[in-house]
Amino acid sequence: GIQVEQSPPDLILQEGANSTLRCNFSDSVNNLQWFHQNPWGQLINLFYIPSGTKQNGRLSATTVATERYSLLYISSSQTTDSGVYFCAVEPGGTSGSRLTFGEGTQLTVNP
Amino acid sequence: DTGVSQNPRHKITKRGQNVTFRCDPISEHNRLYWYRQTLGQGPEFLTYFQNEAQLEKSRLLSDRFSAERPKGSFSTLEIQRTEQGDSAMYLCASSWWGPPYGYTFGSGTRLTVV
Repeated sequence: GIQVEQSPPDLILQEGANSTLRCNFSDSVNNLQWFHQNPWGQLINLFYIPSGTKQNGRLSATTVATERYSLLYISSSQTTDSGVYFCAVEPGGTSGSRLTFGEGTQLTVNP
Repeated sequence: DTGVSQNPRHKITKRGQNVTFRCDPISEHNRLYWYRQTLGQGPEFLTYFQNEAQLEKSRLLSDRFSAERPKGSFSTLEIQRTEQGDSAMYLCASSWWGPPYGYTFGSGTRLTVV
């Protein structure tokens, strides 16, 4: 099956710093989503981004499908950004079925 | 819309007992997914429905697991003869059938088998 690798596994920042999280995947995809899991376990969908670039406030994401990677940018980080960030993909040739998740990046933002 | 609702939030059961979890998806969504997450790992796919049809099941879903979505609305996940290895967070998500396939997850049901 498709492999998803996220880096770095852990990231510690001071409030106000910027960061870039990376997701590499092993095959073509037609669905890629970024999620934030808060300290209470709730998974929040940040972006649906199988290709291209999107921005939502301080967060933006870019997926370069031909090179099989996606980047999540967090600018001016806040303590509420802490949690685990997951990248999840669905292989090309399917439509809206299973997502395969990476192991996540644990982000800690200190005040 | 109140989002995806899962009940119960927590369940502690003795090994060998049966448990059932419920998921109420977003009403406009016709796809419903079950995932399982253990500590320190990303969610793993279990099964998904489009309307009332169960379209795919993971090999993780052993014979002790069964899921239903009888009228294409809420879904139940039952685990029979629970084992300690079943202890995990069980997550439900829903989405629309077409792109964008953005998932909305519920808060999950945390199962502890003692």
